[in-house]
Amino acid sequence: EIVLTQSPGTLSLSPGERATLSCRASQSVSSIYLAWYQQKPGQAPRLLIYGAYSRAAGIPDRFSGSGSGTDFTLTISRLEPEDFAVYYCQQYGDSPLTFGGGTKVEIQ
Amino acid sequence: QVQLQESGPRLVKPSETLSLTCTVSGLSVSNGLYWGWIRQPPGKGLEWIASIYHSGSTFYNPSLKSRVSISIDTSKDQFSLNLSSVTAADTAVYYCARHRDYDIVPAQLDPWGQGLLVTVSS
Repeated sequence: EIVLTQSPGTLSLSPGERATLSCRASQSVSSIYLAWYQQKPGQAPRLLIYGAYSRAAGIPDRFSGSGSGTDFTLTISRLEPEDFAVYYCQQYGDSPLTFGGGTKVEIQ
Repeated sequence: QVQLQESGPRLVKPSETLSLTCTVSGLSVSNGLYWGWIRQPPGKGLEWIASIYHSGSTFYNPSLKSRVSISIDTSKDQFSLNLSSVTAADTAVYYCARHRDYDIVPAQLDPWGQGLLVTVSS
């Protein structure tokens, strides 16, 4: 099983700042098999990024994904008020599909 | 626009079987790729449970495989989850979702249903 470790657990930032979220895999994941999701309280997760780099439909371009091998990054270039949420990475390069533990982006 | 809606009992007794159904609208389940179930215990992270193709091909999480069964009814555009011998540890929000792609295994999940909190308690 591929274990995904996200860091930091919590990121305290202000609107307008840049957010950098990390996802590290226990073994190499092809970049085309890595996704990022956003989850707000009381809501289902929403797909942001798939294939490590590709934005899902309707996702603003302030969200970008990068990385390869075992290290992946989600960057939010300028935080908007609606971006404060929990973010999860997910790999689908091998079964079982696995998720990281999440990074909470909170308002400082 | 594809929409998914979970349904089923919100309270299940320990040792019984949890049964949930996901109803898909806006797309036939026969036209989609894989369809999946994911759960999230209160205040915790996401755990993939199982996924199914309209032909009946399935993938299961080994950690739950001995207790889980997933099925699909193409005539009703529904797919279902059964989880047997439940305990308090199975208390979670259960989500159904569509896999947008498939290569080695079912891929990214989009969209998701709104989720259904199922509590295991006597």
